[in-house]
Amino acid sequence: ETGVTQSPTHLIKTRGQQVTLRCSSQSGHNTVSWYQQALGQGPQFIFQYYREEENGRGNFPPRFSGLQFPNYSSELNVNALELDDSALYLCASSGGDLGAEAFFGQGTRLTVV
Amino acid sequence: GNSVTQMEGPVTLSEEAFLTINCTYTATGYPSLFWYVQYPGEGLQLLLKATKADDKGSNKGFEATYRKETTSFHLEKGSVQVSDSAVYFCALSVLYNNNDMRFGAGTRLTVKP
Repeated sequence: ETGVTQSPTHLIKTRGQQVTLRCSSQSGHNTVSWYQQALGQGPQFIFQYYREEENGRGNFPPRFSGLQFPNYSSELNVNALELDDSALYLCASSGGDLGAEAFFGQGTRLTVV
Repeated sequence: GNSVTQMEGPVTLSEEAFLTINCTYTATGYPSLFWYVQYPGEGLQLLLKATKADDKGSNKGFEATYRKETTSFHLEKGSVQVSDSAVYFCALSVLYNNNDMRFGAGTRLTVKP
């Protein structure tokens, strides 16, 4: 059973650019959630994908978008990067049951300069 | 709205001391409650969970009891070790599929030998 893997681990982008972050969910999991964790803060929910459809969204602007593929891996895209987008982006996968454990990847550290 | 408030850190303890990290929540409906731990440079790992009132979650010597009457889920450990040094996050989810998991701001624990 493989864990949740994210790529890249670190990334530096310039303000105004676009970025794509990738996540491979744990084997057998059909649900992927994305979180933004600013330095010294708890993770904030961005959105969730369930069987390739968006299944809920947090308080993030439309320039944050995502995809889920048939193998349940997922991408997070951020357009028109702003300095405040600098954060650790975490992906979590789960099997879909209420109260089921969400398994987190190690995250992608995005720095916008 | 749904939210979690946890004890601010940092918390510094000597090895074998007793640990309590307070967590209270506000939620509509009946949330599932979680404690996650984040070691330096890593993603979040589930430490323990409880899905209904009066449930006690436990793992690796850590315990937390879901108290509906006080809307609390305090984390305790009787004897901490240096290896317990990490950031601890209290979290809740109220929707199916762990949609929109809400996290506290985190409490950094340092255990000194």
